[in-house]
This record gives sequence, structure tokens and C-alpha cells, in this order.
Amino acid sequence: SQTIHQWPATLVQPVGSPLSLECTVEGTSNPNLYWYRQAAGRGLQLLFYSVGIGQISSEVPQNLSASRPQDRQFILSSKKLLLSDSGFYLCAWSQGGDGYTFGSGTRLTVV
Amino acid sequence: GENVEQHPSTLSVQEGDSAVIKCTYSDSASNYFPWYKQELGKRPQLIIDIRSNVGEKKDQRIAVTLNKTAKHFSLHITETQPEDSAVYFCAATGSGGSNYKLTFGKGTLLTVNP
Repeated sequence: SQTIHQWPATLVQPVGSPLSLECTVEGTSNPNLYWYRQAAGRGLQLLFYSVGIGQISSEVPQNLSASRPQDRQFILSSKKLLLSDSGFYLCAWSQGGDGYTFGSGTRLTVV
Repeated sequence: GENVEQHPSTLSVQEGDSAVIKCTYSDSASNYFPWYKQELGKRPQLIIDIRSNVGEKKDQRIAVTLNKTAKHFSLHITETQPEDSAVYFCAATGSGGSNYKLTFGKGTLLTVNP
């Protein structure tokens, strides 16, 4: 069966520090991968998605970047965090037009 | 691109009552409509979905209806229980019927009062 791993679960980082969040999927190949952010309130904001290795589409221009160095690995990065980057970050995967399966999320607090 | 509107933003019901959450979408090419439940501090989880070739789907106390002509779909929860309290999100496939990018509604906070 397929599983998705996301870490760390919580993170407190100072303003201006770098960020790296990692997501991996097991039990499938060539998944579609996504990074979402949930800021104050309930909305799910799509940040990046990838349909293959090295293929990254950005939905919202901002202080973040994403990379997909391997088929089942998706990384969210920032060189310098802003206060506004605080939020709940969710990785997700899908395949073949089915619904997403979300990772357990990373709660990021920028101080 | 696709736009998904979800109503209401908050919904409070008494235990045992029914709850209905409605969504509209803009892209007539969209063909997949999932619903997610997110409990406080946890990840969204898929609870039911429907494809455009079906008008209704039911799974125990949960049902989803789809009206392609009007471009709206609804989640129905019957005999609500306190554990149904959560935020519910509807979603639709992205612009042009793309089957790999979902657009989410803004969510409905459902509270079931004992």
C-alpha cells in the first residue's frame, strides 16, 4: 500500500533562516506531488505541484521554492523565511485522476 | 482557472440532525469532485468523491450529489454525531479538466452539538 511521509512535524525558525521540508511517498511510482499551505483560517493554498522528476509548477509567486530530485521525493525550501511564511504545510500525492492523500503536515512558526 | 465556492462557511447542528454543504464550480470540463474532512490539527482526509458520470453517491451516513448542468455539488451528512465536527472541504479538478490539480473550496466548519 502507498504511504506518504512528511517531516518534521513541527518547526520553529527565526526570521531570515533557511527552510527545508521533505516529503516522500512509498508504494507507488510517478506520483503527482503537491505542496499546500494552510495559514490562519481554513483555506488550502496550493504552492507547488509536480507531475514528474524535475518538473515543478508554481502557483503563487513568493519566498518559497520546490524541487523534486527523485521520483517520490518532494522538497519545499526557502533561503530566508519571513514571518508570513508561518503556517501548516501539507504535502500530498495523487495518481491517475484520483483524490489526494495528504501527509501529516508540518506546523511552521517563524519568530 | 477553476473557481470553487463553498457555503456555508460555518454550520452548527444538533446531534441527530442532517447537515448539508454546497459547492459550485466554474469549469464545465471538471470531472472529479472529492470531499475532505479535516479535524483540528490534523491532515485533510478524503471521505467521499464523485465523478461527472454519476449524479449521486452514498456511503453510510454520507452522500454527495452532483448537478453538472448547474455546476454544483453537495455533501449530505445524516444523523450527525459529535465526531462529525470538523472542517469540510470540497474540491474540483483544475482548469481544462486537468486530472492532477484540484481546486479547493474555502472550507465549512461543522459543529455538531450534543
